[in-house]
Amino acid sequence: DIQLTQSPSFLSASVGDRVTITCRASQGINTYLAWYQQKSGRAPNLLIYKASVLPIGVPSRFSGSGYGTEFTLTIGSLQPEDFATYYCQQFKSYPVTFGQGTRLEIK
Amino acid sequence: EVRLVESGGGLVQPGGSLRLSCVVSGFTFSDHHMDWVRQAPGKGLECVARSKNKRDGYIAEYDASVKDRFTISRDDSKNSLYLQMNSLKTEDTAVYYCVRDSMQYSMDVWGKGTTVTVSS
Repeated sequence: DIQLTQSPSFLSASVGDRVTITCRASQGINTYLAWYQQKSGRAPNLLIYKASVLPIGVPSRFSGSGYGTEFTLTIGSLQPEDFATYYCQQFKSYPVTFGQGTRLEIK
Repeated sequence: EVRLVESGGGLVQPGGSLRLSCVVSGFTFSDHHMDWVRQAPGKGLECVARSKNKRDGYIAEYDASVKDRFTISRDDSKNSLYLQMNSLKTEDTAVYYCVRDSMQYSMDVWGKGTTVTVSS
């Protein structure tokens, strides 16, 4: 199975900050990477697919980049509603696997 | 509107069985791969089973942790996805989400989840 490692696991930031979360894959996955946001008690929500593509309705302050084994999710200017847990996910091979999550909290 | 609604969760003893259901609406069910993704309390996400679409012959795939115990199936005529869970273990305790594969390397629609608790 392909392992995904996110860093950091926990991040404390303020409204208006720019934050970056990294996801590293145990082997190359091209751009078959997605990012999800999950708020407490709710199902995850798709933020980015194919490493850098935003679905319709996702705010433009979210961006993704990367190829192969290293990927980043950047939030350009944190808003109050962005404080949540973020997961990366690989779609290169089954079983699709997720990173362990990055919990983003208000400083 | 695209919707996925799960049901069938509950409390079951170790070694017992449970069948989860997911009724979908708002899209052509047979066009999409469908997944069951679970989340144990306070833990991350784990994809446990996948049912490929009609074009790919409804092939089922499983994570090693549930292989030979869980069976995923679907009935396109009823727009329904199922997960038969046998020989349940305490570590199967989780919220189980029914999820649509976007067919573009992501999971784009999630149900609200149904809770399975395995405990004596």
